[in-house]
Amino acid sequence: SQTIHQWPATLVQPVGSPLSLECTVEGTSNPNLYWYRQAAGRGLQLLFYSVGIGQISSEVPQNLSASRPQDRQFILSSKKLLLSDSGFYLCAWSFKGLADNEQFFGPGTRLTVL
Amino acid sequence: DAKTTQPTSMDCAEGRAANLPCNHSTISGNEYVYWYRQIHSQGPQYIIHGLKNNETNEMASLIITEDRKSSTLILPHATLRDTAVYYCIVRVGTGGFKTIFGAGTRLFVKA
Repeated sequence: SQTIHQWPATLVQPVGSPLSLECTVEGTSNPNLYWYRQAAGRGLQLLFYSVGIGQISSEVPQNLSASRPQDRQFILSSKKLLLSDSGFYLCAWSFKGLADNEQFFGPGTRLTVL
Repeated sequence: DAKTTQPTSMDCAEGRAANLPCNHSTISGNEYVYWYRQIHSQGPQYIIHGLKNNETNEMASLIITEDRKSSTLILPHATLRDTAVYYCIVRVGTGGFKTIFGAGTRLFVKA
């Protein structure tokens, strides 16, 4: 069976510090990968998605970047965090093609920028 | 992708059916209706999806109107653990990157 891992679970960072959140998927190969952010009490905003190694699409301009160095690894980064980067970050994966019906979400990382 | 409209919140008594409505009047012919839910501080969980026929699985039933402009998610016997935010989404079948989560409906199941 497939599993998705995210870490850390919670993170408190000062403004201006760098960020690296990691997401890995086990039990499948060549998945589509996604990064979402959820502000308090709001819906999810798609930040990035990837259909393969080194292939990243950005949905909104922002202070963040994403990378996919390996097939089942997706990393969300920032060089300098802003207060507005606070939120609940969720990684998700899905199968490709006709099987791309359901997205499977990780447990999330709650980021607080002070 | 079409947008959806859902009530902000709903209450339901434990053991009763919870009927969550969703309006998607601008849905296109190739767009599916998906439902996810998010329990507090967890990632969303897929529930069900459909194109035009009603669908049922172990979690819920999805009723789509004949004109496809609205749908209803039914939890047949709601439990306290069903308290969550429920998202109604419309998107093409093979387009995970087009999954747009709105504010959803906050369902409170009360004992």
